[in-house]
Amino acid sequence: DSGVTQTPKHLITATGQRVTLRCSPRSGDLSVYWYQQSLDQGLQFLIQYYNGEERAKGNILERFSAQQFPDLHSELNLSSLELGDSALYFCASSPQGSGYGYTFGSGTRLTVV
Amino acid sequence: GESVGLHLPTLSVQEGDNSIINCAYSNSASDYFIWYKQESGKGPQFIIDIRSNMDKRQGQRVTVLLNKTVKHLSLQIAATQPGDSAVYFCAENRGYSSASKIIFGSGTRLSIRP
Repeated sequence: DSGVTQTPKHLITATGQRVTLRCSPRSGDLSVYWYQQSLDQGLQFLIQYYNGEERAKGNILERFSAQQFPDLHSELNLSSLELGDSALYFCASSPQGSGYGYTFGSGTRLTVV
Repeated sequence: GESVGLHLPTLSVQEGDNSIINCAYSNSASDYFIWYKQESGKGPQFIIDIRSNMDKRQGQRVTVLLNKTVKHLSLQIAATQPGDSAVYFCAENRGYSSASKIIFGSGTRLSIRP
């Protein structure tokens, strides 16, 4: 157990729908990162939050949004889902928002049918 | 998208031999590099890291080498075991302070021959 908790582990939904993925960072970590991993691909950085504020953004689609709450958990919202959005979505956390001490969760597997 | 490049997509190694996985990076300003191991269906797992002021770092059965002149990173695994089968990613820290992010390469799949 890495200490980073992601729920749900699996999600199957239809095209056009909206889903919310949840991440609880490791205790004491202030920063949360979201990544997308399509089949047999690398991890694409989506977005970073630090202590409730957005700090860095990657190639995140406009249909996707995220936020970090006062208790530091984060949610990734995916809307108007397309088949191509099927992927593993990973959350990572780090203590201070730097690259040091990065820890990944076990991911949410999203299948869009 | 942003990524760190890799030389080979797959590597097959005899059990007990040493494995060497290579990686090229493009951002000469990057100051921190990490190797991750990802087993099927799991999240990336930290293996070893190195800061840009070093050229070599050793862990348990693993060594990372950094050549800043040619922007090249390698991971050496000694006495490769079946449990080493996984996809290995090199990654690079970009950004500053609390706005840093880890950028991943496309990965090398390591398979072990008995």
